[in-house]
Amino acid sequence: NAGVTQTPKFQVLKTGQSMTLQCAQDMNHEYMSWYRQDPGMGLRLIHYSVGAGITDQGEVPNGYNVSRSTTEDFPLRLLSAAPSQTSVYFCASRLAGQGVYEQYFGPGTRLTVT
Amino acid sequence: AQSVTQPDIHITVSEGASLELRCNYSYGATPYLFWYVQSPGQGLQLLLKYFSGDTLVQGIKGFEAEFKRSQSSFNLRKPSVHWSDAAEYFCAVALTGTASKLTFGTGTRLQVTL
Repeated sequence: NAGVTQTPKFQVLKTGQSMTLQCAQDMNHEYMSWYRQDPGMGLRLIHYSVGAGITDQGEVPNGYNVSRSTTEDFPLRLLSAAPSQTSVYFCASRLAGQGVYEQYFGPGTRLTVT
Repeated sequence: AQSVTQPDIHITVSEGASLELRCNYSYGATPYLFWYVQSPGQGLQLLLKYFSGDTLVQGIKGFEAEFKRSQSSFNLRKPSVHWSDAAEYFCAVALTGTASKLTFGTGTRLQVTL
């Protein structure tokens, strides 16, 4: 299994540009999440999904859109990039089920918005 | 409000010395508790987790953690640190019944001197 994969690894955007961060997992996990990591702030939840066709907002959803058309993929869209979105983005997934909360993380995408 | 606190931003220990990283949480009920490690430029790897039962849990790489309900703490320990343990460590919690919502502390960066 490749686990959780993310592309690209690095990206530089200009303010106002849009882009999609890709996330895929091959573990047949129902739950997938996007986090951003900023210095001194740990990881904060952006959006999550409990299955195909179902998404919900996390702690910091503004400026981001998600969709979940398949179990495997959970792309994160930046509609109009802003310097405040400069961050490292992590995708994570886990199985559904009571008591199963261990999440598997991808390697991250480092995004810089100028 | 629910929160996770890691009071130590940066800790330096000598190789071979013991280590304790602190984590406190503020929740109405006992959450599920995790410790993750992040090496430079990498994603997050799960070290250990606590759901219920024995309050002393063993993880990978020789780490252990002890859950103390009375202190709302879940401190991470290692008897003898190796230079390869230098990384950033995150405590995280999830409430029973929540979907993929992990709440992270702000992290503790561990430096190991030879």
